[in-house]
Amino acid sequence: AQSVTQPDIHITVSEGASLELRCNYSYGATPYLFWYVQSPGQGLQLLLKYFSGDTLVQGIKGFEAEFKRSQSSFNLRKPSVHWSDAAEYFCAVVRGQNFVFGPGTRLSVLP
Amino acid sequence: NAGVTQTPKFQVLKTGQSMTLQCAQDMNHEYMSWYRQDPGMGLRLIHYSVGAGITDQGEVPNGYNVSRSTTEDFPLRLLSAAPSQTSVYFCASSYAGRNEQYFGPGTRLTVT
Repeated sequence: AQSVTQPDIHITVSEGASLELRCNYSYGATPYLFWYVQSPGQGLQLLLKYFSGDTLVQGIKGFEAEFKRSQSSFNLRKPSVHWSDAAEYFCAVVRGQNFVFGPGTRLSVLP
Repeated sequence: NAGVTQTPKFQVLKTGQSMTLQCAQDMNHEYMSWYRQDPGMGLRLIHYSVGAGITDQGEVPNGYNVSRSTTEDFPLRLLSAAPSQTSVYFCASSYAGRNEQYFGPGTRLTVT
């Protein structure tokens, strides 16, 4: 069965530090991949997506992600975290015509 | 554009009560979906629709009904609420299922 794993339930970083959130998926073909962010009490907002082509994709708010087929990964990165980045982050993959979401990683940012 | 709207924002039900969660979008999207969000489990698909008059079950459909009489609206019905349905519910829409989904603000439901 197709699944999406996010190994880190909770990550804490200091403001200004770099960030990498991990996402692994199991899927038999080239997947459509997404990262969403959810601020407390809010809905989900799309950060970036990968369909094909360049494996390094740029998103909003200074985020980027790299698709690595050999590792079945789509990790999210940001070179310098801001306090406003504290939120929950979800990786998702398309299965058929529906989305399958990972369990999420909660990011805390220390001043 | 209002995007995806959901009502109510909060709701408390007693076990056995019924209610309908409303979802509407003004982007002329064909695909709409309902998810529930529970701690540590991400978002799980309840039901989805690929167009007016067409609905299908997702991963966790039991206890929920949907209908899609118009492109804009996709209500979710709980016929007999149970404490296990305590959750945050999100509606989403997109041009097609595999495209970017736009999410509503969510409904926090508590069943006592």
